[in-house]
Amino acid sequence: NAGVTQTPKFQVLKTGQSMTLQCAQDMNHNSMYWYRQDPGMGLRLIYYSASEGTTDKGEVPNGYNVSRLNKREFSLRLESAAPSQTSVYFCASSEEGNAYEQYFGPGTRLTVT
Amino acid sequence: GEDVEQSLFLSVREGDSSVINCTYTDSSSTYLYWYKQEPGAGLQLLTYIFSNMDMKQDQRLTVLLNKKDKHLSLRIADTQTGDSAIYFCADLEREEYGGATNKLIFGTGTLLAVQP
Repeated sequence: NAGVTQTPKFQVLKTGQSMTLQCAQDMNHNSMYWYRQDPGMGLRLIYYSASEGTTDKGEVPNGYNVSRLNKREFSLRLESAAPSQTSVYFCASSEEGNAYEQYFGPGTRLTVT
Repeated sequence: GEDVEQSLFLSVREGDSSVINCTYTDSSSTYLYWYKQEPGAGLQLLTYIFSNMDMKQDQRLTVLLNKKDKHLSLRIADTQTGDSAIYFCADLEREEYGGATNKLIFGTGTLLAVQP
């Protein structure tokens, strides 16, 4: 039972390049989330998916797209990376009930130069 | 939108108690959480409290909730160097239309430094 896994762990991009961050969970959770973490700003929600086939914008969605590929996988795409997207990205999943606890992946550290 | 605020830094000596404070604005808050983040790692849930509770104790951790003042605190007894980490307070924003949506609103995090 791996929990929430993310790939890659580290990535360096040049401005304008694109990439997809991958996330998978093996806990059969309906809900999945993408956050970014910046110093002094805590975690901010980029996009979330309440169930397979649905996605919604969070607090900071501009510059990102997401795909809920199936119940297990939720990917985050940067179409044209900008230096302002340098951050640590976390994926999380949660289930209904059980205090709606969110389980987090280990994060992807992205640098855009 | 709702907001959660925390102080940025707390320094304590090993063996002392640590108290990390948090304030929130959500009047209809149901669950409030404390997460711990060690360097280079993801977030790990430490504990949570339901809004109809005033206090919750879990081994060295005590959570106090003052709903009137919208104030949450986390007390760590006998703080150890292994407790050095960033601690995040989070508020559950729950919406139910069509299907339930559960979003966490995080504070900025408090860096706890434990001096030996």
